[in-house]
Amino acid sequence: DVKVTQSSRYLVKRTGEKVFLECVQDMDHENMFWYRQDPGLGLRLIYFSYDVKMKEKGDIPEGYSVSREKKERFSLILESASTNQTSMYLCASVETQYFGPGTRLLVL
Amino acid sequence: GENVEQHPSTLSVQEGDSAVIKCTYSDSASNYFPWYKQELGKGPQLIIDIRSNVGEKKDQRIAVTLNKTAKHFSLHITETQPEDSAVYFCAASKGGFKTIFGAGTRLFVKA
Repeated sequence: DVKVTQSSRYLVKRTGEKVFLECVQDMDHENMFWYRQDPGLGLRLIYFSYDVKMKEKGDIPEGYSVSREKKERFSLILESASTNQTSMYLCASVETQYFGPGTRLLVL
Repeated sequence: GENVEQHPSTLSVQEGDSAVIKCTYSDSASNYFPWYKQELGKGPQLIIDIRSNVGEKKDQRIAVTLNKTAKHFSLHITETQPEDSAVYFCAASKGGFKTIFGAGTRLFVKA
């Protein structure tokens, strides 16, 4: 079974903090994705990566950056967290075939 | 821009009844239509998908239909059970890395 894991299920951070969300997949997939999920808005693509050190902006990249140093790991970075980044963050691999369990982030 | 509309936002059915969720999409180039089930505290799980060269696909109690002319597709769940209670998302993709998701339908199955 493919497994996509995310480093934290719940996070509480303060405005202005730098936040790292980590995602790891165990099936040697090339494509990995970060989405945010908000009520009534569905899932929106933040960034994706199709290879190590390769990244592309999605629909809502502002305020975020990503890092893909190893094939199995894709990190989402909030350089300076803001309250409007309070959301559920979902990592996926192979486009939208496999999702992680999500990280619920609260920014105070 | 491209979008996917999903209805209803909430659906309540009696155990054993059928449930239907409908989606419409705007981009006529879309050719792949997956459906996801998201249970509380979990990430979305792909449950069924359909490609544009097929009008209908069935997997046990779940079926999906696609009408490319009208640009809409539907999820049908028959003989619903309490464990079918979840949020269901439709999506549309035209290949590449771009998938547009519907806003979700919260399904309640009453025992």
